[in-house]
Amino acid sequence: DTEVTQTPKHLVMGMTNKKSLKCEQHMGHRAMYWYKQKAKKPPELMFVYSYEKLSINESVPSRFSPECPNSSLLNLHLHALQPEDSALYLCASSQNEKLFFGSGTQLSVL
Amino acid sequence: ILNVEQSPQSLHVQEGDSTNFTCSFPSSNFYALHWYRWETAKSPEALFVMTLNGDEKKKGRISATLNTKEGYSYLYIKGSQPEDSATYLCAFPLMEYGNKLVFGAGTILRVKS
Repeated sequence: DTEVTQTPKHLVMGMTNKKSLKCEQHMGHRAMYWYKQKAKKPPELMFVYSYEKLSINESVPSRFSPECPNSSLLNLHLHALQPEDSALYLCASSQNEKLFFGSGTQLSVL
Repeated sequence: ILNVEQSPQSLHVQEGDSTNFTCSFPSSNFYALHWYRWETAKSPEALFVMTLNGDEKKKGRISATLNTKEGYSYLYIKGSQPEDSATYLCAFPLMEYGNKLVFGAGTILRVKS
């Protein structure tokens, strides 16, 4: 299994909602990532987990809360988001250097 | 902050044409250079990870070269096919920040049949 699976594929939420994005991989990779991508811009790193511990937080607002319950799962909890947070959220995992990406969650905040 | 520049921003070619595009990156503190292909509605897929100056890698009709001294990499596609239509991203790891990849904005390739 060489896939990174993300759910949901699409999400529409209001600014007062709480929702979660989920990411799963069964390749035994010990590093997992959240990236944010706005249209026509490069993906921007948000968080890195290494061996289930948060190793990089790119000064992401606290309305985004990552969680790594085990080595296969990565969640991103969303609360009180703003319309400018609308974007594609990509999860990735890595072994050595190459990243394996999921297909992303397209998030719209109304 | 590190800048990874890609050109052109977009490219439209006819089926059968060969094409190439460029990724420019800082030549100091080089560790590796990644190329990814991102087809619409799919996941970005790693094409190459290049580490050595003068390196040339090939995958089918796609090849890439690397010049770490001048800070650029070229991606070549020979005999483009409609299925090559995708966004091609390069990325530069910042090893002093763990495995943090900084991506270029990508080159959008559209191949017309």
